[in-house]
Amino acid sequence: DAKTTQPTSMDCAEGRAANLPCNHSTISGNEYVYWYRQIHSQGPQYIIHGLKNNETNEMASLIITEDRKSSTLILPHATLRDTAVYYCIVRVYQGAQKLVFGQGTRLTINP
Amino acid sequence: DVKVTQSSRYLVKRTGEKVFLECVQDMDHENMFWYRQDPGLGLRLIYFSYDVKMKEKGDIPEGYSVSREKKERFSLILESASTNQTSMYLCASSSGRLSSYNEQFFGPGTRLTVL
Repeated sequence: DAKTTQPTSMDCAEGRAANLPCNHSTISGNEYVYWYRQIHSQGPQYIIHGLKNNETNEMASLIITEDRKSSTLILPHATLRDTAVYYCIVRVYQGAQKLVFGQGTRLTINP
Repeated sequence: DVKVTQSSRYLVKRTGEKVFLECVQDMDHENMFWYRQDPGLGLRLIYFSYDVKMKEKGDIPEGYSVSREKKERFSLILESASTNQTSMYLCASSSGRLSSYNEQFFGPGTRLTVL
């Protein structure tokens, strides 16, 4: 699985959009970008994934650059409950595969 | 609401005890996983299963065994608990269908302390 690089921490004001970047310059053609988050003392939670098109669901939007070497997770109206560690993972889309979490970005939403 | 449940949120055991951690999913998923999570080490895969009665070793299987007698249930067994097995244990499941997105759904975790 390709390596990803994320900032260690970020802050965002409540009600604002939180934009979390991820670099994955060695991504290969059959690898997808997945985002998970982990709220303190809970199990990780799947957020969204994409291949090359931008994606949106009820939780977030995922913007992937045209060269696919980086992506941004957008939480459009951050709330205090969005405070968590966010993990960007690049992996192939098949089979029973383990998740490899890096250090992630610790996002703090401030009131 | 789909769910992965784990038998305990917190567990305290003594060195040498046999420990059972249970995980149940209600999504009819083929794949199930056991991870442990430790500060600075991230998530590490212990065992996984892609079908009933099937199991595969992950990255750190030593000191653990698993059982999958029914599709919805995946058990992690610590044969003789040791203090270095103190950790957060996370169970996850995912669909094995080719049409799935392969995302993993996690349980709330069991924080095990071995004294």
